[in-house]
Amino acid sequence: LAKTTQPISMDSYEGQEVNITCSHNNIATNDYITWYQQFPSQGPRFIIQGYKTKVTNEVASLFIPADRKSSTLSLPRVSLSDTAVYYCLVGDQSGTYKYIFGTGTRLKVLA
Amino acid sequence: SAVISQKPSRDICQRGTSLTIQCQVDSQVTMMFWYRQQPGQSLTLIATANQGSEATYESGFVIDKFPISRPNLTFSTLTVSNMSPEDSSIYLCSVEPGLENTEAFFGQGTRLTVV
Repeated sequence: LAKTTQPISMDSYEGQEVNITCSHNNIATNDYITWYQQFPSQGPRFIIQGYKTKVTNEVASLFIPADRKSSTLSLPRVSLSDTAVYYCLVGDQSGTYKYIFGTGTRLKVLA
Repeated sequence: SAVISQKPSRDICQRGTSLTIQCQVDSQVTMMFWYRQQPGQSLTLIATANQGSEATYESGFVIDKFPISRPNLTFSTLTVSNMSPEDSSIYLCSVEPGLENTEAFFGQGTRLTVV
């Protein structure tokens, strides 16, 4: 299972775009990249998933370069409620969803 | 999407006792996972529970300490045995809902404090 590396923490201001980059140098051919958000006292919540290039949904965009050794979660115009821990995970969609969590990135949005 | 209910949501237990945590899913799932999240830390996978077979434990976790049951496709339990203060954590259940969906869903967790 590929290991991921993320910045431990980030600060941002309301209304700014936040980009969190994750490194996964040992990603396997079948692995997908998934990002989760966790608020205090809650379980992680799915944000977005991708395999390559760019994926966009109503809350975020995910940019994956051709070599897939990294990925960037982009949160447009963050608000105070986006303060949370963000986890980047890689896993084999065809097998188990045995996700191994890294440290995550603690995002703090300031007013 | 899968809705996961965990019980209890929190508990305070005496050292040396055991606590069983229940995880109920509103749909049938093949795989269920149990995680531990110590205060201020990331999630650590304890074991994978498949219906009809013994759970598969990750390194550092053993069946005697964390026995798991998986009696059917919608339910699992995790027991934290002979508890010590070091077992104080949040325990989370997770499920993979099937090949049509790529998300892994998580319960809200059980906050355990051992005194």
